Amino acid sequence: QSVVTQPPSVSGAPGQRVTISCTGSSSNIGAGYDVHWYQQIPGTAPKLLIYGNSNRPSGVPDRFSGSKSGTSASLAITGLQAEDEADYYCQSYDSSLSGWVFGGGTKLTVL
Amino acid sequence: EVQLVESGGDLVQPGRSLRLSCAASGFTFDNYAMHWVRQAPGKGLEWVSGISWNSANIGYADSVKGRFTISRDNAKNSLYLQMNSLRTEDTALYYCVKGVSGSYFSWFDPWGQGSLVTVSS
Repeated sequence: QSVVTQPPSVSGAPGQRVTISCTGSSSNIGAGYDVHWYQQIPGTAPKLLIYGNSNRPSGVPDRFSGSKSGTSASLAITGLQAEDEADYYCQSYDSSLSGWVFGGGTKLTVL
Repeated sequence: EVQLVESGGDLVQPGRSLRLSCAASGFTFDNYAMHWVRQAPGKGLEWVSGISWNSANIGYADSVKGRFTISRDNAKNSLYLQMNSLRTEDTALYYCVKGVSGSYFSWFDPWGQGSLVTVSS
């Protein structure tokens, strides 16, 4: 049971917009620690998607965006494409645990 | 190009020990924090341990504290994870991951391809 919660799955048709939530607490996201997002295509290693709540590394399409408010964060994907089908994980630091925590992951299905 | 190559994964019995290694190349290893993250079959990501560039900051997940030890050899561009008293629940793919700065508190990028550890009798 992760201390940071994500929906197990989301889905959308090609071209649509989906959002993935990441809910934490006062010891992680709510404490001001940044949220980072990773994309894991099945059978491959995770890849950094968003860092520092809302920043995209070079090479990540601007269809991907992140935001943070209070004890939660969210990842938005617009103009869904088949290649976006993957697992998405949020990450933050937790001061109570003195360590990094990942959300449980969200499987995105492109219909 | 940054490369992180894990090795040492194996099938071991519960209670035994194993040492994972990660050979790093393509960047100045001693400038960056490093971490181990694991993923049990069909499950999500779990941070295991991290170490700052100079080994001054080290942390462990509660699930491995007291059993696992992270270390690094900056002269050999290598990261290690000594795993003792292994349990069946330690079965996972173990990723070697680079921090984006020397600080233990920086995010992770990139990830290695992983080394499989199976704990079973």
